[in-house]
Amino acid sequence: SAVISQKPSRDICQRGTSLTIQCQVDSQVTMMFWYRQQPGQSLTLIATANQGSEATYESGFVIDKFPISRPNLTFSTLTVSNLSPEDSSIYLCSVTLRNTGELFFGEGSRLTVL
Amino acid sequence: AQRVTQPEKLLSVFKGAPVELKCNYSYSGSPELFWYVQYSRQRLQLLLRHISRESIKGFTADLNKGETSFHLKKPFAQEEDSAMYYCALRSYSGGGADGLTFGKGTHLIIQP
Repeated sequence: SAVISQKPSRDICQRGTSLTIQCQVDSQVTMMFWYRQQPGQSLTLIATANQGSEATYESGFVIDKFPISRPNLTFSTLTVSNLSPEDSSIYLCSVTLRNTGELFFGEGSRLTVL
Repeated sequence: AQRVTQPEKLLSVFKGAPVELKCNYSYSGSPELFWYVQYSRQRLQLLLRHISRESIKGFTADLNKGETSFHLKKPFAQEEDSAMYYCALRSYSGGGADGLTFGKGTHLIIQP
């Protein structure tokens, strides 16, 4: 299995500010993904974090709003920019293990925007 | 594009009764399907993946390509099974495995 550490676990932010969420994995992974889970909703894939290059975004998500970095194989950040109350969600990091192909999720970062 | 459909938003059964959570998918390629469970105030956990064909906590799921279904079943429900259940599909593109596409989830409530 893998241990995925997400920080912060929760935060309350003001409208118009930005929040950066970190995801650190203790195992060798191939893929890293970011998801959003809005209140009472299912998970929606935001983007695939690519090492050393721009992330691949899903329809409806853009780099200006959700800049993503992945400087190495086991670390990635997601920034949610220019926050509005509609961005209040849980943001989850997910990884695919290199040796087994299994998928694991972090505990999530709960964001509340006032 | 792929799609995962869980027709039941809420399913309530009595303890000891059989449970079936429905999941249908649409995908042009060969699918890889999962069931995830989220207990109250806990992180999302993998319950089953179709390629491993195992039974976890008494749950099983069989991929039916003809009906494009991956229903989750348990013969005798237990109160601790109460949770949100998500069916998910992993697709593959030229660059390798894509992220998961999730269904909207089914809230399973087991009544005593």
